[in-house]
Amino acid sequence: DVKVTQSSRYLVKRTGEKVFLECVQDMDHENMFWYRQDPGLGLRLIYFSYDVKMKEKGDIPEGYSVSREKKERFSLILESASTNQTSMYLCASLDRESYGYTFGSGTRLTVV
Amino acid sequence: KNEVEQSPQNLTAQEGEFITINCSYSVGISALHWLQQHPGGGIVSLFMLSSGKKKHGRLIATINIQEKHSSLHITASHPRDSAVYICAVRESFGNEKLTFGTGTRLTIIP
Repeated sequence: DVKVTQSSRYLVKRTGEKVFLECVQDMDHENMFWYRQDPGLGLRLIYFSYDVKMKEKGDIPEGYSVSREKKERFSLILESASTNQTSMYLCASLDRESYGYTFGSGTRLTVV
Repeated sequence: KNEVEQSPQNLTAQEGEFITINCSYSVGISALHWLQQHPGGGIVSLFMLSSGKKKHGRLIATINIQEKHSSLHITASHPRDSAVYICAVRESFGNEKLTFGTGTRLTIIP
């Protein structure tokens, strides 16, 4: 089974801090995604990557950047955390052959 | 951009009841996914549908492409089925991005 691992389940950061959320997948998938999930809004795409060093903005990229230096790892960076970035963050990877998505267990980030 | 709507938003039922969750979308799609999210956050993929019907255990998913509508059914519901069920659509082949509904929170009472 594909495994997508997010490094932290819960994170509390201060306003203005630089925050790194890490995601690692173990199945050599090319496509990886970062979403945030907020009550009443569903999952919204922040960024996705279709190969190493390749990235594309999603629907809500403002205040975020990403890094994909190795195929298995896709990092989400909050350059200067703000309280409106308090949310659940979910990483996913895609098997292009089956079009099956595998999600990580999520990181609940609180910015105070 | 596709609009994905789910109904109901919240559903509470007694153990053993037959459950139906609905999903409708506004623009033609290449595939529809049903996902399950338990408290704590992790999301599990249940089904991917392009047409017709799929069954896995007590779960059944159907899709009507002409009506732009899908349903997820749970037979003989059990408290462990309590979760948020999310519908997501992929608009075209080669487009890997999903558009998500806001989810249906299902609670099964023993």
